Amino acid sequence: AQSVTQLDSHVSVSEGTPVLLRCNYSSSYSPSLFWYVQHPNKGLQLLLKYTSAATLVKGINGFEAEFKKSETSFHLTKPSAHMSDAAEYFCVVLIAGTYKYIFGTGTRLKVLA
Amino acid sequence: EPEVTQTPSHQVTQMGQEVILRCVPISNHLYFYWYRQILGQKVEFLVSFYNNEISEKSEIFDDQFSVERPDGSNFTLKIRSTKLEDSAMYFCASSAVRALENYNEQFFGPGTRLTVL
Repeated sequence: AQSVTQLDSHVSVSEGTPVLLRCNYSSSYSPSLFWYVQHPNKGLQLLLKYTSAATLVKGINGFEAEFKKSETSFHLTKPSAHMSDAAEYFCVVLIAGTYKYIFGTGTRLKVLA
Repeated sequence: EPEVTQTPSHQVTQMGQEVILRCVPISNHLYFYWYRQILGQKVEFLVSFYNNEISEKSEIFDDQFSVERPDGSNFTLKIRSTKLEDSAMYFCASSAVRALENYNEQFFGPGTRLTVL
């Protein structure tokens, strides 16, 4: 069965320092993976997506993620955190052959001034 | 930029009452979805809808739930007789025609928070 595991429920970083949000996936197939962000009282916004075209994926707002098959990981990174990055982040896998998303449990990112 | 909209943003209802949650997907999208997120828990898939019929549903989506596209723009989720455990944030999503195998970017609305008393 396909699934994703987000290893940290909460991450705190200082403004200007790097961000690392961890996600591991489980899939028998080449997965389609996504990162979404949810700001308070807002919908889920797509940050970036992996669809096997390139292992390093660049997204919006300076975020990127690297697909590592050997580690079954798809960690989200950003070189320098901004206060506006404070939000909840979801790693998502698309079930092969369907339109069904499976969400991770989410990581709440806190950015300290 | 086109976006998915949902109304109402917050709905409070009494147990046993029927509720209808409304969504307006992005206008050229053909696939529609409902997800829910119980407070403190994962976002869970409920149902997908294409060509006026359900294409997939989860075990959560029992006979109490139904979906409909009553006109060319709205997509609704009806809960026939609400239970306390239906209290959650409900997200609508839509996607365009699938262009690549195993790729499907879904666009989400802001959600409707349903509170069942």
